Amino acid sequence: DQQVKQNSPSLSVQEGRISILNCDYTNSMFDYFLWYKKYPAEGPTFLISISSIKDKNEDGRFTVFLNKSAKHLSLHIVPSQPGDSAVYFCAATAGGTSYGKLTFGQGTILTVHP
Amino acid sequence: DVKVTQSSRYLVKRTGEKVFLECVQDMDHENMFWYRQDPGLGLRLIYFSYDVKMKEKGDIPEGYSVSREKKERFSLILESASTNQTSMYLCASRLTRSSLEQYFGPGTRLTVT
Repeated sequence: DQQVKQNSPSLSVQEGRISILNCDYTNSMFDYFLWYKKYPAEGPTFLISISSIKDKNEDGRFTVFLNKSAKHLSLHIVPSQPGDSAVYFCAATAGGTSYGKLTFGQGTILTVHP
Repeated sequence: DVKVTQSSRYLVKRTGEKVFLECVQDMDHENMFWYRQDPGLGLRLIYFSYDVKMKEKGDIPEGYSVSREKKERFSLILESASTNQTSMYLCASRLTRSSLEQYFGPGTRLTVT
């Protein structure tokens, strides 16, 4: 039972354009959502998060949007750069102020072409 | 900077062998986690530990066990390795349960032949 799904295995974007990575979830108990980025031969690194009480969180070129009614979140990268090429994982957790485990999606491979 | 290290980057073992994967973090984090990453399946949680001597099963604990005798070290044990345990294994740590972010090690690519 995949509670967090990233239905696009890969995405290819031109440098300078917008990258939009999507994530859907089924568990309505999730109250925090995170995005991680992973380069080959390295562990995932935290990128940005959003609480379920918000619908948008922005950090520089990265913005995460949350649509609770649709159980959908997306990560926007503007403008995209070749260094953004990596695997992006969406993750979710439940538990209020005492966070439990993270549930990850399958990942989306982003390739940004110069 | 938080540093999470894993004992090996690459490991090749034979079916039936007992395998130990070691993870060490240097930031006095209370919580530690073991995941495996497989294509099309993302990261799946095997076991985690909220503190020393504590352990809890994740989503796919079958065929694995863990040990946490010291706060900084979390070991994953494959009692009798099988070919379906060929995977990338990732260790992570987190300061406390009040912290959202997990910090990951570089991973161990385990091949069981």
